[in-house]
Amino acid sequence: EAQVTQNPRYLITVTGKKLTVTCSQNMNHEYMSWYRQDPGLGLRQIYYSMNVEVTDKGDVPEGYKVSRKEKRNFPLILESPSPNQTSLYFCASSLMGGRARGEQFFGPGTRLTVL
Amino acid sequence: RKEVEQDPGPFNVPEGATVAFNCTYSNSASQSFFWYRQDCRKEPKLLMSVYSSGNEDGRFTAQLNRASQYISLLIRDSKLSDSATYLCVVNAVTGMDTGRRALTFGSGTRLQVQP
Repeated sequence: EAQVTQNPRYLITVTGKKLTVTCSQNMNHEYMSWYRQDPGLGLRQIYYSMNVEVTDKGDVPEGYKVSRKEKRNFPLILESPSPNQTSLYFCASSLMGGRARGEQFFGPGTRLTVL
Repeated sequence: RKEVEQDPGPFNVPEGATVAFNCTYSNSASQSFFWYRQDCRKEPKLLMSVYSSGNEDGRFTAQLNRASQYISLLIRDSKLSDSATYLCVVNAVTGMDTGRRALTFGSGTRLQVQP
């Protein structure tokens, strides 16, 4: 089954404790992306990757890191989480072509709470 | 001004009604357009792409007006299962930086279909 998986699905942590949210896709997609979703603000892109070892900032990259060592995996790293990073996070993947990139497949989401 | 604007709703309609959502975008360089559906606390899923000539998929019709920079989604014969939030998504690819700001999401319009 074609899918994007994320782990963990729910996480409560404390300020400053490093964490990683994993993302994996089995569709051989080149393009992967991380979003956060906050009430009234919609989905905002954090980082994206166009292929292995190619990553770049999205609209709200501060406080986050990513890596793309393998095509299927795109982990999101919060080195020192803060309460303003409490949010719902989605990983997504797609093919690279113009319109194809708009046809994104999303993971189930990770609800993060930073105390 | 937000890049993609939607009426947040909620739109409360009876079963069988026809309902229309509009979405305006500010970037005239936007190249492709999409409607996504998001159920409560779930990931967004692609509902349909929007083509210049307008397109239909069963009870759903999407229209694009480039001159006025808006897209619309029409749902005929609403079902209870149509209750969800509908996200307008715009793909603006500018210059050589083809990866940045690939997709901009609206905040969504909530639809509640009532029996």
